[in-house]
Amino acid sequence: EVQLVESGGGLVQPGRSLKLSCAASGFTFSNYGMAWVCQAPTKGLEWVASISTGGGNTYYRDSVKGRFTISRDNAKNTLYLQMDSLRSEDTATYYCARVLTRLVDYWGQGVMVTVSS
Amino acid sequence: EIVLTQSPTTMTASPGEKVTITCRASSSVSYMHWYQQKPGASPKPWIYETSKLASGVPDRFSGSGSGTSYSLTINNMEAEDAATYYCQQWNYPWTFGGGTKLELK
Repeated sequence: EVQLVESGGGLVQPGRSLKLSCAASGFTFSNYGMAWVCQAPTKGLEWVASISTGGGNTYYRDSVKGRFTISRDNAKNTLYLQMDSLRSEDTATYYCARVLTRLVDYWGQGVMVTVSS
Repeated sequence: EIVLTQSPTTMTASPGEKVTITCRASSSVSYMHWYQQKPGASPKPWIYETSKLASGVPDRFSGSGSGTSYSLTINNMEAEDAATYYCQQWNYPWTFGGGTKLELK
């Protein structure tokens, strides 16, 4: 069974950093692209970043470029999102997502990130 | 960035009714994906590559479209279909539509 379990969320002050992790199991992690998708409270879905199977290619939405870094450790079956210079508008639930031909075919349960002073 | 506009934003449907949700793209895209999300739950893949049903999706659902106009259709609405549906295009940067909240009448 495919499982994606996020961790690392919480309350953080504006301008500070947070690192999200996603532990993957039930599939060969290194064979799949991965992504982070967020959803602000009562709002719609927003793609944040994607990473290729080997980690050599990464893609970001404009609003997070230079602030967020997506990475992966295939030996640990873990996906990461380093979030720096956080802003109030980054407040959202962040979903870890497995990518199959640019479709998110599995989603984690999500982890809440709240940016507030 | 390709902007996806869904309509309607919200709608209600009675059991047995036919439902159509539309997703319009600001530029032509090759395919469209659709996701279903229920309150408090993660989204689920629902229709991929415009018209292919994801695993477990009832065949009363269908998808169609091309270019800048795509749609998700439910023939014979059932109570379990009440949810929010999102379209998504796969050119970078990926974008999602704003969602259509479908409620049971």
